[in-house]
Amino acid sequence: AQSVTQLGSHVSVSEGALVLLRCNYSSSVPPYLFWYVQYPNQGLQLLLKYTSAATLVKGINGFEAEFKKSETSFHLTKPSAHMSDAAEYFCAVNDQAGTALIFGKGTTLSVSS
Amino acid sequence: KAGVTQTPRYLIKTRGQQVTLSCSPISGHRSVSWYQQTPGQGLQFLFEYFSETQRNKGNFPGRFSGRQFSNSRSEMNVSTLELGDSALYLCASSLDQGRQETQYFGPGTRLLVL
Repeated sequence: AQSVTQLGSHVSVSEGALVLLRCNYSSSVPPYLFWYVQYPNQGLQLLLKYTSAATLVKGINGFEAEFKKSETSFHLTKPSAHMSDAAEYFCAVNDQAGTALIFGKGTTLSVSS
Repeated sequence: KAGVTQTPRYLIKTRGQQVTLSCSPISGHRSVSWYQQTPGQGLQFLFEYFSETQRNKGNFPGRFSGRQFSNSRSEMNVSTLELGDSALYLCASSLDQGRQETQYFGPGTRLLVL
C-alpha cells in the first residue's frame, strides 16, 4: 500500500534562507509523487510532480524536488524563501490504480522578515 | 481556461440534515475526485468518477455518495449529517485516467455542521 510521511508539521525560516520540506514515501509500485501548496481559505495548487522522467523536478515559484529511490524520499527545496511562500505544503503519492492521491499530513511553512 | 469550480463555497447545516455539493471540472476533464480535509484527519480521499462511473471509493460510510453527469460535472451528497462531517470538501479534476495524471483542485466547499 502507498503512504506518505512528512517530517515536521511546522517549519520556520527567515526570508532569503533555504527552504527544505521533507517527504518520505512508501509504494508497492513505481511511485508518482506530487507536491501541492495550500494558501489560507484556498484549494490546493500543484507545485511539481515526479513521473519518472527525471529525478530532479523543477516546479513553479522556484521550488524543486529530488526523487531518491534509495532513500524513498522526495524532499522539496527552494534556495531563497520569500514571505509569499508562507503556506501549507502537502506531499502526495498516487495510489496503485491511479484514481486517488494519498496525502501526507502537511507541513506549515512560516517565513519571517 | 477556467479552473475547477465548486458551489456553494460555504454551508451551514444542522445534525441530521443532508447536503449536496457541486463541482464543475476544467473543460475537457473527464475524471473528478472528491476529498475531505479536516484538521485531525488531514486530506482523505472520498471517491473518484470517470465517465459517469465510480472507479474508486475511500473508507467513508455509506452516508457519503456521489455521482457524475454526462458533462463531467459531479455532485456529492452527505445524508444524516454528523458534527464530525464539518470539513473542507475539495473537488479535483484530471484530463484522463492514469497514475501520471495531475489532479487540479477547486477552492473547496467549507461545511459546518451544528
